[in-house]
Amino acid sequence: AQKITQTQPGMFVQEKEAVTLDCTYDTSDQSYGLFWYKQPSSGEMIFLIYQGSYDEQNATEGRYSLNFQKARKSANLVISASQLGDSAMYFCAISSGSARQLTFGSGTQLTVLP
Amino acid sequence: DVKVTQSSRYLVKRTGEKVFLECVQDMDHENMFWYRQDPGLGLRLIYFSYDVKMKEKGDIPEGYSVSREKKERFSLILESASTNQTSMYLCASSPPLGSTEAFFGQGTRLTVV
Repeated sequence: AQKITQTQPGMFVQEKEAVTLDCTYDTSDQSYGLFWYKQPSSGEMIFLIYQGSYDEQNATEGRYSLNFQKARKSANLVISASQLGDSAMYFCAISSGSARQLTFGSGTQLTVLP
Repeated sequence: DVKVTQSSRYLVKRTGEKVFLECVQDMDHENMFWYRQDPGLGLRLIYFSYDVKMKEKGDIPEGYSVSREKKERFSLILESASTNQTSMYLCASSPPLGSTEAFFGQGTRLTVV
């Protein structure tokens, strides 16, 4: 079974600063994927970034980067130059299984302060 | 523009009613999923399907069933709704390739009274 742990229920960051959202995972699979999604107050789930277990380079997508440390089983999301629109719930997830189904963490509520 | 569409945004049902939540995707994806989202618990997988007429239990299948008669449509059924099934329900779809993200519907807020 897969498990995702997000230990920060809530985080605050000043506008234009960088912030790191923590994610650790547990899996017995050798091949898996790690995802981050953003959920604003409107409720939609927005895909941010993906990291494959065999990818040697950390994934980056614009202001988002994933700090992947395989030996420590961590996949932290780094948001650079925070914007007010980044205020949202952020979910880390791991994919595995026959349909590459996702197992989610409990989420981190990020608030960007002006 | 790719889309996963859930039939209702808000739903209020009575205890004991049979409830159908419908989900349609237009991306020809093989995989479809039903999650429920509760505060502090994240999203939990109820059921998923990797092909027409195929279904697999997720982590919390009790009290639910699903139907997938056509590739684009995946239905979640609450056989006899109970108040502890009051929640946000999210449908998602994805292609078989694991490196591609899952696409989510807008969610259905179900209240069972």
